[in-house]
Amino acid sequence: KAGVTQTPRYLIKTRGQQVTLSCSPISGHRSVSWYQQTPGQGLQFLFEYFSETQRNKGNFPGRFSGRQFSNSRSEMNVSTLELGDSALYLCASSSDRVTNTEAFFGQGTRLTVV
Amino acid sequence: AQSVTQLGSHVSVSEGALVLLRCNYSSSVPPYLFWYVQYPNQGLQLLLKYTTGATLVKGINGFEAEFKKSETSFHLTKPSAHMSDAAEYFCAGVGTGANNLFFGTGTRLTVIP
Repeated sequence: KAGVTQTPRYLIKTRGQQVTLSCSPISGHRSVSWYQQTPGQGLQFLFEYFSETQRNKGNFPGRFSGRQFSNSRSEMNVSTLELGDSALYLCASSSDRVTNTEAFFGQGTRLTVV
Repeated sequence: AQSVTQLGSHVSVSEGALVLLRCNYSSSVPPYLFWYVQYPNQGLQLLLKYTTGATLVKGINGFEAEFKKSETSFHLTKPSAHMSDAAEYFCAGVGTGANNLFFGTGTRLTVIP
């Protein structure tokens, strides 16, 4: 079956703009989590959505937001972009909690803020 | 605080040699531990995970890890390195939300022919 699809793969934005990233999970998976990966901070959890509800949130400012649709596709939005938001954004989908099942990661969206 | 610590940001081994990547976890970490691999320009792929039961966990591609509570360690090993094993490896635990992973800083493995 198809894996986790993230679009776009690459994005260049200007400081102060906003951006929306998309994640289509594996069919049947209801949980989508987002992670930010940077050379300085490593991999950090942003938030998790399950059945259209945010179930958990990491320690990021309110400029980072997300949502999940009824078909489990998820989007994350970053407003008022800063240079430090340049990162690889990864989403992961799972059918249940990772303690019971496996989280599958997409290839990521590489965001560059100039 | 919950954390996992990976010792060594870079490890180099010869092809055919033993691979040993080290991970220690804080005692506050719930007993769910994972190893992921990331190839260049790719997402993360699960190698193996420890939940409960047998402390020696076998994963994909010939990797295994042993959960040692007395040493708070979960080191990843492979008896014989292949060129295709060159990648970055992350140890991870599960946060209090039970579906959010927290990761170590990663270990980049280089395999020398």
